[in-house]
Amino acid sequence: QVQLVQSGAEVKEPGASVKVSCKTSGYTFIDYYIHWVRQAPGQGLEWMGWINPKTGATKAAQRFQGSVSLTWDTSISTAYVELHSLRFDDTAMYFCARGSSFDSWGQGTLVSISS
Amino acid sequence: DIQMTQSPSSLSASVGDRVTITCRASLNIITYLNWYQQKPGKAPELLIFGASTLHSGVPSRFSGSGSGTDFTLTITTLQPEDFATYYCLQTYGTRTFGQGTKVEIK
Repeated sequence: QVQLVQSGAEVKEPGASVKVSCKTSGYTFIDYYIHWVRQAPGQGLEWMGWINPKTGATKAAQRFQGSVSLTWDTSISTAYVELHSLRFDDTAMYFCARGSSFDSWGQGTLVSISS
Repeated sequence: DIQMTQSPSSLSASVGDRVTITCRASLNIITYLNWYQQKPGKAPELLIFGASTLHSGVPSRFSGSGSGTDFTLTITTLQPEDFATYYCLQTYGTRTFGQGTKVEIK
């Protein structure tokens, strides 16, 4: 069955970077977009961006342009989101989701920013 | 960007009630609208895509309707496991979620 398994929780200091992975299985990786979504504590869902592994295209939401990198490794069916210059308000749960329907989700990765 | 206005932000209901949640888009998104359910500490789960198509395995008490700018998620005969937060998502352009509706026990 389709699975998206994310990397474990991270604690980082302000100004650092963090890279979250989303390892997929159960389907052909290049056939579906992967989207990234974040959720700050007690808040709603916020779309961050997508990758299209088939074409090599990526798109980040305007507010994340310049502060996130969206990459992937087709050989291991894994997508990544890297957050740069972390701030306290980047503390959130980060999810990956499959395809235009977001029909399968990773379990989430908690990124905490603390000095 | 397309703005999604979801209402209400929360509601209290009893088991067996009929519940309706709405989302309004800032422009015509045809039927590019999905609904998700999220329980505390869990990832969201797809309920409905294309405004009205039930995702595989989702109980038939969930239904979606609407097109253009106005959309509705209806839960008939609310069950205990339905107490959760619900989100709409437009997939017409750069993705945007509604603010969420928390369905609580009355």
